[in-house]
Amino acid sequence: KAGVTQTPRYLIKTRGQQVTLSCSPISGHRSVSWYQQTPGQGLQFLFEYFSETQRNKGNFPGRFSGRQFSNSRSEMNVSTLELGDSALYLCASSLGLPTDTQYFGPGTRLTVL
Amino acid sequence: GNSVTQMEGPVTLSEEAFLTINCTYTATGYPSLFWYVQYPGEGLQLLLKATKADDKGSNKGFEATYRKETTSFHLEKGSVQVSDSAVYFCALIYNQGGKLIFGQGTELSVKP
Repeated sequence: KAGVTQTPRYLIKTRGQQVTLSCSPISGHRSVSWYQQTPGQGLQFLFEYFSETQRNKGNFPGRFSGRQFSNSRSEMNVSTLELGDSALYLCASSLGLPTDTQYFGPGTRLTVL
Repeated sequence: GNSVTQMEGPVTLSEEAFLTINCTYTATGYPSLFWYVQYPGEGLQLLLKATKADDKGSNKGFEATYRKETTSFHLEKGSVQVSDSAVYFCALIYNQGGKLIFGQGTELSVKP
């Protein structure tokens, strides 16, 4: 089975722009979670989608949003980028029960200049 | 709230040394516990997991036992290799819809 894939792998943007990141889960997985990883804050949960519905949300501003499509692929969007948004963004997929094991993609490295 | 605390790194060991990375957690109820590993430039890989008290997770020579009485899930390996050099994350998940809570990570460096 193919693993979780994320595109693009690297992005460079400037402040004020917006960005969309994509995540394709493992076949058969219906849940996708997103995380932000930074040296200072570590790994922080952004949100989780299951069957096209946001099921859980972390403590991030409204500039961070996401969605999930009927094929379980997910996108996250960050609007009005700030320097502090520079991070590795990881998505993870699971079968869908709240405590199921999550499998991670390689991440998208976002740099905001 | 729920949280995970790991021992601070970096941890530097010689090849074939014994490894312990401490992890303790705070959670209501009975979370599932995980260890993930991250190699440079990569995402997180699941190393092992345990879903209930006294369960032992194991994989690739690594082991961890879910200890409810001490709220701990320490990672151990009897003989580390240079290829084990990576950052290790302890994490828990409770009934919160796909939200993993991570420790701060422990960097391991194994020297030949």
